[in-house]
Amino acid sequence: GEDVEQSLFLSVREGDSSVINCTYTDSSSTYLYWYKQEPGAGLQLLTYIFSNMDMKQDQRLTVLLNKKDKHLSLRIADTQTGDSAIYFCAESGNAGNMLTFGGGTRLMVKP
Amino acid sequence: DSGVTQTPKHLITATGQRVTLRCSPRSGDLSVYWYQQSLDQGLQFLIQYYNGEERAKGNILERFSAQQFPDLHSELNLSSLELGDSALYFCASSVDGGSLNEQFFGPGTRLTVL
Repeated sequence: GEDVEQSLFLSVREGDSSVINCTYTDSSSTYLYWYKQEPGAGLQLLTYIFSNMDMKQDQRLTVLLNKKDKHLSLRIADTQTGDSAIYFCAESGNAGNMLTFGGGTRLMVKP
Repeated sequence: DSGVTQTPKHLITATGQRVTLRCSPRSGDLSVYWYQQSLDQGLQFLIQYYNGEERAKGNILERFSAQQFPDLHSELNLSSLELGDSALYFCASSVDGGSLNEQFFGPGTRLTVL
């Protein structure tokens, strides 16, 4: 079955860039997504990338996709304390329907 | 605010009991999804409904069932509850559940089974 893997934890200093990595196994993934979950809250869709793209930039967020290696990354420029949260990558296949999520990466931003 | 509402916010019940979680999708969204988030299993897809019909099923236990009503709100029924069912249950909605599946999540219902 599909599998999505992420590292558990990342700590950065305020103002630095953060890079959160994700690998997936489903080669039929059509779209890949990044969600943010703050404590006690639901998941907020941050951005997504179509599988035939290499890169997508959205303000401070840059998504890189290496389809050959099935590797996805989310770069947050000028990381702020408000970016502290759990970040989930997710993929959906051709059928659309369900999202398969990674285990989440907890980002801690130190002042 | 995603526009997806879930009630109740918290639910505490005992083993063997039955509970119903409710979700109202964003205005205009036809698809509703249910997910379970627990410490050991992470975020897992349970089931999807599209315009009242079941469309996809994930790791949903037989003790669990769901439905989507004509007004598009959805309910997730959990019965014969066990301690391991304690988790956050999220509902999400999307316009049509098609290829670009932008799902918008509700704030979740935290279920505690004692």
